[in-house]
Amino acid sequence: EAGVAQSPRYKIIEKRQSVAFWCNPISGHATLYWYQQILGQGPKLLIQFQNNGVVDDSQLPKDRFSAERLKGVDSTLKIQPAKLEDSAVYLCASTRGRGDYNEQFFGPGTRLTVL
Amino acid sequence: RKEVEQDPGPFNVPEGATVAFNCTYSNSASQSFFWYRQDCRKEPKLLMSVYSSGNEDGRFTAQLNRASQYISLLIRDSKLSDSATYLCAARGSSNTGKLIFGQGTTLQVKP
Repeated sequence: EAGVAQSPRYKIIEKRQSVAFWCNPISGHATLYWYQQILGQGPKLLIQFQNNGVVDDSQLPKDRFSAERLKGVDSTLKIQPAKLEDSAVYLCASTRGRGDYNEQFFGPGTRLTVL
Repeated sequence: RKEVEQDPGPFNVPEGATVAFNCTYSNSASQSFFWYRQDCRKEPKLLMSVYSSGNEDGRFTAQLNRASQYISLLIRDSKLSDSATYLCAARGSSNTGKLIFGQGTTLQVKP
């Protein structure tokens, strides 16, 4: 079974530029998560999708971050404009469902550096 | 206060040692807990799930203490390959599946 795919793996941009990340979850996984992991910290949830609907985006900085999952499969996360503090690894994860007993599988992440 | 807290370490131990990490959580409604292992520049990978009082898998034992609101991870007979960051995560009662992670505890096993 193929894992969660993410691209690009690395991205370097200057502040105020825009950037987009792509995620393809494990086939059949209805729930998709985007996390931000700043160096030295644990992952922090940005947004959660159930199929193509948003379940939780309470910690998404909506003035600059946006995400979509139009067909309920792959997803994109965009930052526009980027700030220095957005430098982090952006992890995508997926689960089959939402309940307690669903293991979250993580993709390899996109490492973003904002200069 | 953070929802999930861990001592960041690092914990430096010799091969063969037994080491334990604690993780405290503030939301008493949290139903399930997880230990993830994260190697340097890699994604987190699930090590153990804890739904009731505890779980054991080979050299690894996780315990849950609901009264004191902490979970622990015990690693026996440490191997060099156990060197990694161990992330504790709690899943709330909202049934969204959302995980709240601690900052991680770094373990370095020395020869």
